[in-house]
Amino acid sequence: DTEVTQTPKHLVMGMTNKKSLKCEQHMGHRAMYWYKQKAKKPPELMFVYSYEKLSINESVPSRFSPECPNSSLLNLHLHALQPEDSALYLCASSHQTGYGTDTQYFGPGTRLTVL
Amino acid sequence: QKEVEQNSGPLSVPEGAIASLNCTYSDRGSQSFFWYRQYSGKSPELIMSIYSNGDKEDGRFTAQLNKASQYVSLLIRDSQPSDSATYLCAVKIRGSQGNLIFGKGTKLSVKP
Repeated sequence: DTEVTQTPKHLVMGMTNKKSLKCEQHMGHRAMYWYKQKAKKPPELMFVYSYEKLSINESVPSRFSPECPNSSLLNLHLHALQPEDSALYLCASSHQTGYGTDTQYFGPGTRLTVL
Repeated sequence: QKEVEQNSGPLSVPEGAIASLNCTYSDRGSQSFFWYRQYSGKSPELIMSIYSNGDKEDGRFTAQLNKASQYVSLLIRDSQPSDSATYLCAVKIRGSQGNLIFGKGTKLSVKP
């Protein structure tokens, strides 16, 4: 089973709203990732959690706030977003970041629209 | 600058033909190579991974890796219209904390 789930599938929010994206995996993976993907572009890495600790923040604006409550869950809290933040937000997980054969599996994504 | 290059396409092949997708990478420290398929509006789906020089086959898909030439390819035999998608090449650098470097993707169109 290589399933990563994400909720909600679609989200529309205003620039003053606060919302959260959720991601869950039950594969025993210890690394989880948030990516942002704009149309016709490849995924861009935002954050990496390894063993529930933030290991990479790719200079993401503070209006995006990640949280990893436990090894199976990953949240992305959103506040005061801009219309240019509209994109497909992808969660991925993998066994461990340090291994060469480590493979990332993506969830279905959340389509975010900021009005 | 670590780069992964792909021809953006579109690559158009007739149904039943072999589709050949190519990818080059700049960092000789690259150790793992992945091909993801992405349908429009959907998330990337892992098709193949390859770590050693040579060929790796899985059904209609064959990945080929040549580290000396810094080149990885994906062959799709007996292409079907359902193979029409964007194919993303991704590379993992040795010692990185899980970062995947993605190419911009090649759009494949299989014509019935």
